[in-house]
Amino acid sequence: EPEVTQTPSHQVTQMGQEVILRCVPISNHLYFYWYRQILGQKVEFLVSFYNNEISEKSEIFDDQFSVERPDGSNFTLKIRSTKLEDSAMYFCASSEVGRGDTQYFGPGTRLTVL
Amino acid sequence: DAKTTQPTSMDCAEGRAANLPCNHSTISGNEYVYWYRQIHSQGPQYIIHGLKNNETNEMASLIITEDRKSSTLILPHATLRDTAVYYCIVRFPYTDKLIFGTGTRLQVFP
Repeated sequence: EPEVTQTPSHQVTQMGQEVILRCVPISNHLYFYWYRQILGQKVEFLVSFYNNEISEKSEIFDDQFSVERPDGSNFTLKIRSTKLEDSAMYFCASSEVGRGDTQYFGPGTRLTVL
Repeated sequence: DAKTTQPTSMDCAEGRAANLPCNHSTISGNEYVYWYRQIHSQGPQYIIHGLKNNETNEMASLIITEDRKSSTLILPHATLRDTAVYYCIVRFPYTDKLIFGTGTRLQVFP
């Protein structure tokens, strides 16, 4: 069964450093998403992406975040200058078609900012 | 998106049906009910969704009341691997985001 994959599974970085989290969505999916979950808290929507553009974003997704589809298979989330409060699980998701379609999540990347 | 209310936690014996309720009294006519679960800190796993008819797939059944103000997710024969946090999400079809609440922590015991 096709699935969303994410790398790395765990990323440790120093505060102020840039990190790139990578995702390979399900191959025939066209919409891509990032969510995050701070330890012990709810899963929160960050951003959605379609046709090489951000479709929707939350208040959390400020200027230090960016997303990109650098090639035909990868979808990345970049955090330019990490803060301690960016420590969280980051989940990528994808859906086949547009809004309202079922989203399938990857296993997540645990980001630890020291 | 309509707000949902779920019990904080539930227990279920292995092999028995797990019935997880969800209230969504402010749901509007074109909002879908989605169920996901999260095992430990893994990515949320899609289970099932519906609009107004009852739905069944290989994982579960979804029963939506006629007035659509509540629903029940049924795992017909719970196993230990079904121990997870279950999220009921009401979703407007013209938005990208899923809004997760705190969900129901289901503990399946032997």
